[in-house]
Amino acid sequence: EVQLVESGGGLVQPGRSLKLSCAASGFTFSNYYMAWVRQAPKKGLEWVATISTSGSRTYYPDSVKGRFTISRDNAKSSLYLQMNSLKSEDTATYYCARLHTMGPRHYFDYWGQGVMVTVSS
Amino acid sequence: EIVLTQSPTTMAASPGEKVTLNCLASSSVSYMNWYQQKSGASPKLWIYGTSNLASGVPNRFSGSGSGTSYSLTISSMEAEDVATYYCLQLSSYPPTFGSGTKLEIK
Repeated sequence: EVQLVESGGGLVQPGRSLKLSCAASGFTFSNYYMAWVRQAPKKGLEWVATISTSGSRTYYPDSVKGRFTISRDNAKSSLYLQMNSLKSEDTATYYCARLHTMGPRHYFDYWGQGVMVTVSS
Repeated sequence: EIVLTQSPTTMAASPGEKVTLNCLASSSVSYMNWYQQKSGASPKLWIYGTSNLASGVPNRFSGSGSGTSYSLTISSMEAEDVATYYCLQLSSYPPTFGSGTKLEIK
């Protein structure tokens, strides 16, 4: 059974940093692209970052580029999101998601339970 | 960036009623994915590649569309279908989600 378990969330002051982790199990982690998606309270979903299987390629939207860094440790089947210079608008539940890219149609097929990040003074 | 506009924003349907949710893309996309999110839970893959049902999705659900217009249809509404449904395009970067359609039961 595929499982994605996020951790590391919490309350942080504006301008500070936080690192999220996602522990993966039930599949060969190194074979899959992975991503982070967030959801602000009572709002919709927003893609935050994607990383390739080896970690050599990363992708970000303009809203977090230069502040957030996605990384992975395939030996530990773990995904990370380093968030720096946090802003109040980064307050959200952050989901770890597996990206299915085997074929012409790509989609996020499994999601974690999410971890809450609150940026406030 | 491709903007996805979902309609309606909110709707209520009676048990047994046919329901159609729409997703309009600002530029042509090759396919569309749909997610179901129930209150307090993580999103679940519901339909991928425009018309393929994810594992465990009841066959009263279907997906269709092409180019800039896509839809999710429920042939006969059931109470367990109450949720917010999001469309997602991964045809081009950045990936973008629609703002969601909240589906309620009458």
